[in-house]
Amino acid sequence: QLQLQESGPGLVKPWETLSLTCTVSGGSISSSSYYWGWVRQPPGKGLEWIGSIFYRGTTYYNPSLESRLVVSVDTSKNQFSLKLSSVTAADTAVYYCARQAGWGAPYFDYWGQGTLGTVSS
Amino acid sequence: EIVLTQSPGTLSLSPGERATLSCRASQSVTSSYLAWYQQTPGQAPRLLIFAASNRATGIPDRFSGGGSGTDFTLTISRLQPEDFAVYYCQQYDSSTWTFGQGTKVEIK
Repeated sequence: QLQLQESGPGLVKPWETLSLTCTVSGGSISSSSYYWGWVRQPPGKGLEWIGSIFYRGTTYYNPSLESRLVVSVDTSKNQFSLKLSSVTAADTAVYYCARQAGWGAPYFDYWGQGTLGTVSS
Repeated sequence: EIVLTQSPGTLSLSPGERATLSCRASQSVTSSYLAWYQQTPGQAPRLLIFAASNRATGIPDRFSGGGSGTDFTLTISRLQPEDFAVYYCQQYDSSTWTFGQGTKVEIK
């Protein structure tokens, strides 16, 4: 059974960088059939797509976050990561990693449990 | 960017009733690229429907999806206690993925 697990510091100071890692188990991140994505959810609000990556390194970013965002992959560790710089309180959210499936990777079929990233001094 | 608008914001129904949720897109969405998710408090979203009308693995047949173009629906034929949750539609277009704002189905 495929499992995804987010990890990283839960508390980040304003204007610093939020760094999260998603570890994939029960399957290979190097499959050509899937993309791997990040989605976030501010407290009490809806879902927002952040960015996606293919195992060969091709990335797609939400235009509203692109200037502050880097998503990377480490196939040797079966992990992919997110770095969001210059964070503010508006970036406080539960951050989910997910597998994207289907032709063109249009939907998210497996999700991690999520990790709360809080921006506060 | 395609914007998805879900209605109603909140749906108050009793167990056993039928729920019909709407998702309207600001421009036409390829049916293959429209999905629905269920989220209960404190949990990650769960994929219900992909390609507008296909149930994901393990999803009961009381859940059905339909529609095309700019108008899509999620129907729950007979609400069970575990179905009271928030539902999101989601689309993919031109290397961008967007979600609707969600519909909360609550117990009346």
